[in-house]
Amino acid sequence: EVQLVESGGGLVQPGGSLRLSCAASGFSFSDHYMDWVRQAPGKGLEWVGRIRHKASSYTTEYAASVKGRFTISRDDSKNSLSLQMNSLKTEDTAVYYCARVVQNTPRVDYWGQGTLITVSS
Amino acid sequence: DIQLTQSPSFLSASIGDRVTITCRASQGISSFLAWYQQKPGKAPKLLIYDASTLQSGVPSRFSGSGSGTEFTLTISSLQPEDFGTYYCQQLNHYPLTFGGGTKVEI
Repeated sequence: EVQLVESGGGLVQPGGSLRLSCAASGFSFSDHYMDWVRQAPGKGLEWVGRIRHKASSYTTEYAASVKGRFTISRDDSKNSLSLQMNSLKTEDTAVYYCARVVQNTPRVDYWGQGTLITVSS
Repeated sequence: DIQLTQSPSFLSASIGDRVTITCRASQGISSFLAWYQQKPGKAPKLLIYDASTLQSGVPSRFSGSGSGTEFTLTISSLQPEDFGTYYCQQLNHYPLTFGGGTKVEI
C-alpha cells in the first residue's frame, strides 16, 4: 500500500525557517518524481514544486511564489522527501501535502494527509 | 503562468442530477489536464487524467472531455458521496497550476 506521511509542521515566526519531511512507503520511491502542494486555510490548492528522480539528475521546479526561498530535496536511501522553507511569510500559512508523480507522466496519484504550517508572530 | 478558470465556483444540485464543471486555460495545454475531488479535511483524490481518462477505481459516472483550452468534468448522476470541491490542474507547463475550485453541495 502506498503511504506518504508528512511531518515537521508547526508554528513559526515570519522570517523564520522550517523543514518538512515526507516518509514514503509501499512503492519504489527512487523511481518517482515527487511534488509538494499546499492549501491555505479555506483556500484552493497551490502547486509548490517538484523534484525529479536520479535519472533526471534530481532537478527541481518551483512556483514563483516560493522560488529562491524553498528548496525541495530527497534522500532515496531513506525513502524521504524534504521541503526546506526559509524567509517564511504569513502567506505561506497552509497545509502542505507531499504527492507521488506517476512514472512517465506529469500527474500525481497519491497524496499524504498533509501537515499544517502556521506563520505568525 | 497558465491560468485555469473554473466555473461555476459553487453549485447546489440534487441526487440524480447531471452536473458539469468547466475549466478554461489561458493558453493551450493539449490534453494535459487532471481533475481532483477534495472533501473537507482530506487530501485531494485523482478522478480524471489526460483530460478524459478515468483513474482506476473511480466510478464511471465521472467523465472528462476537452482539449486545448476548454475542458469539462461531468457527473452523470450525482450521488450523496460526490459532495466536495473539485479542482482542475494543468500539467503541460511549469509552474503547474490549479483552477480555483468548484464546491459541489448536495
